[in-house]
Amino acid sequence: ETGVTQTPRHLVMGMTNKKSLKCEQHLGHNAMYWYKQSAKKPLELMFVYNFKEQTENNSVPSRFSPECPNSSHLFLHLHTLQPEDSALYLCASSPGQDYGYTFGSGTRLTVV
Amino acid sequence: SQQGEEDPQALSIQEGENATMNCSYKTSINNLQWYRQNSGRGLVHLILIRSNEREKHSGRLRVTLDTSKKSSSLLITASRAADTASYFCAPFDSNYQLIWGAGTKLIIKP
Repeated sequence: ETGVTQTPRHLVMGMTNKKSLKCEQHLGHNAMYWYKQSAKKPLELMFVYNFKEQTENNSVPSRFSPECPNSSHLFLHLHTLQPEDSALYLCASSPGQDYGYTFGSGTRLTVV
Repeated sequence: SQQGEEDPQALSIQEGENATMNCSYKTSINNLQWYRQNSGRGLVHLILIRSNEREKHSGRLRVTLDTSKKSSSLLITASRAADTASYFCAPFDSNYQLIWGAGTKLIIKP
């Protein structure tokens, strides 16, 4: 375990479903991130939170909705996804943005 | 493209040999980071080298940085089967973002 825990590890959902991904860290880090990793593509930064405030939204479709209730927890709410949203979703945290990131093991999402 | 670019895309060597991976980038950076990813899992941070540093070591890993050439290299000495993974360089640019490439897939043959 890296100190960043993501649940669930695997998720299969229909296009009309609503689901949430959860990320939790108890490393005392102030920054948390959501990334999308698709096959043969570089990691895509989706959202950044610093001290619970969203500081980055990289033109992510509104069917992805992040939530950061406190500095230890980060959620990604999903609704009406498309098959092309199938990917590995990675959560990461860091003490600040100028430091190495600690990643969770990811949630493998399949949209059917 | 602003992304970091790793070279080669794939590398297969015998156990015990050294593996060298290269990275080029296009922006000004604050630091450059190397990560490892085992198949389908999360990334593991290996080394961070700051823009005013030229070389850094961590165990069997050696990273160099040449900001004039906008390039970095990762050397893994005395490779082991457990080193089989994908390796990513991620320059940290002046916009406070990590720039990711497609990675180098390293296979260590026993």
